Amino acid sequence: DTEVTQTPKHLVMGMTNKKSLKCEQHMGHRAMYWYKQKAKKPPELMFVYSYEKLSINESVPSRFSPECPNSSLLNLHLHALQPEDSALYLCASNTLSGGYTGELFFGEGSRLTVL
Amino acid sequence: DQQVKQNSPSLSVQEGRISILNCDYTNSMFDYFLWYKKYPAEGPTFLISISSIKDKNEDGRFTVFLNKSAKHLSLHIVPSQPGDSAVYFCAATGAGNMLTFGGGTRLMVKP
Repeated sequence: DTEVTQTPKHLVMGMTNKKSLKCEQHMGHRAMYWYKQKAKKPPELMFVYSYEKLSINESVPSRFSPECPNSSLLNLHLHALQPEDSALYLCASNTLSGGYTGELFFGEGSRLTVL
Repeated sequence: DQQVKQNSPSLSVQEGRISILNCDYTNSMFDYFLWYKKYPAEGPTFLISISSIKDKNEDGRFTVFLNKSAKHLSLHIVPSQPGDSAVYFCAATGAGNMLTFGGGTRLMVKP
């Protein structure tokens, strides 16, 4: 069982919809991430929240907006998406304490389909 | 520009034999390397890692080798089992929290 929980597991939305993906972890990790993964491709980093400070991959379009209400929660707000945004969206977290090893703990992902 | 490359998109191995998955990187600032395993419709799970100060790390059936001069690492699975069939991603990180992933290698272990 993963300790990073993502909801919903599946989401189908139209291009005019507004929806959100949610992610939660209770491991006390201080960094949380959103990755996008298309079929047969590696995960691509979208956003990082480190100690609740945001870092952005500049190539991510503004129709994706992250929100970090607290250190355990990370949301991804979706608005006016395009069909090419259909992908598996992965949330991950890791600890930033001493002995940081780079290991990310991933959730099971939210499969998004944009019609 | 791919900084982490896995040149073999797929690998097929007989059960009980050794699986060797390879990974090359170009960024000399990378100092920590990880392997992740991914089943369909699931998130990647961490498998094993190695620091740049080491050349080998072993965990049960899994061993990762690092050749810094060649900027190459490999994952050995011995003996391979059908349950090992998955996509394996190599990843690397330097200063900061950003992991760079390779393109993945699909391993198929035949009974």
